[in-house]
Amino acid sequence: NAGVTQTPKFQVLKTGQSMTLQCAQDMNHNSMYWYRQDPGMGLRLIYYSASEGTTDKGEVPNGYNVSRLNKREFSLRLESAAPSQTSVYFCASSTRTGGYTEAFFGQGTRLTVV
Amino acid sequence: KNEVEQSPQNLTAQEGEFITINCSYSVGISALHWLQQHPGGGIVSLFMLSSGKKKHGRLIATINIQEKHSSLHITASHPRDSAVYICAVSQTGGATNKLIFGTGTLLAVQP
Repeated sequence: NAGVTQTPKFQVLKTGQSMTLQCAQDMNHNSMYWYRQDPGMGLRLIYYSASEGTTDKGEVPNGYNVSRLNKREFSLRLESAAPSQTSVYFCASSTRTGGYTEAFFGQGTRLTVV
Repeated sequence: KNEVEQSPQNLTAQEGEFITINCSYSVGISALHWLQQHPGGGIVSLFMLSSGKKKHGRLIATINIQEKHSSLHITASHPRDSAVYICAVSQTGGATNKLIFGTGTLLAVQP
């Protein structure tokens, strides 16, 4: 079972460069998320998509854009990378099970912006 | 104040010790999740609970809804248990299935 697949696993960017983080899930989940994880802080929500065709801002959306290409795929784009965006990025998908949320996470993308 | 607080932030134990990690939350929840993250690895779900207690192998998770508190226990700890343990809650009343995360507890079990 693939679950949630993220690419790439590692990336180094120069300030000002752009890139897209890819995420795909094969569990037919409606909801997908992008989080960033920084030392000493919990995972913070960047953007989420409650269903295909919809996206909404989370806690820390500035500097990012997303696309929910179809039900499987949810990509995160950095248009002009900044050192403050150095972080570990996690994609997740979720489903409602017995009335509450069950979440599944990708392996993470370690991004360094120099 | 964070809506989900974990303690301790760091924990070092000797192999075989009984370990407890605590999680307190200040919002209404429909469920609480315990997650595990190995160094450089992804995040996996250990437990999802809304009441009482769950056990899986050497791991036990409990929740007290009235006190808004949960604990994760590890019995007979082993070096392979070394990881970051993250508490997260599914908040009630939200329009989506968003989770709120604690900052994690870094556990190191020494042989």
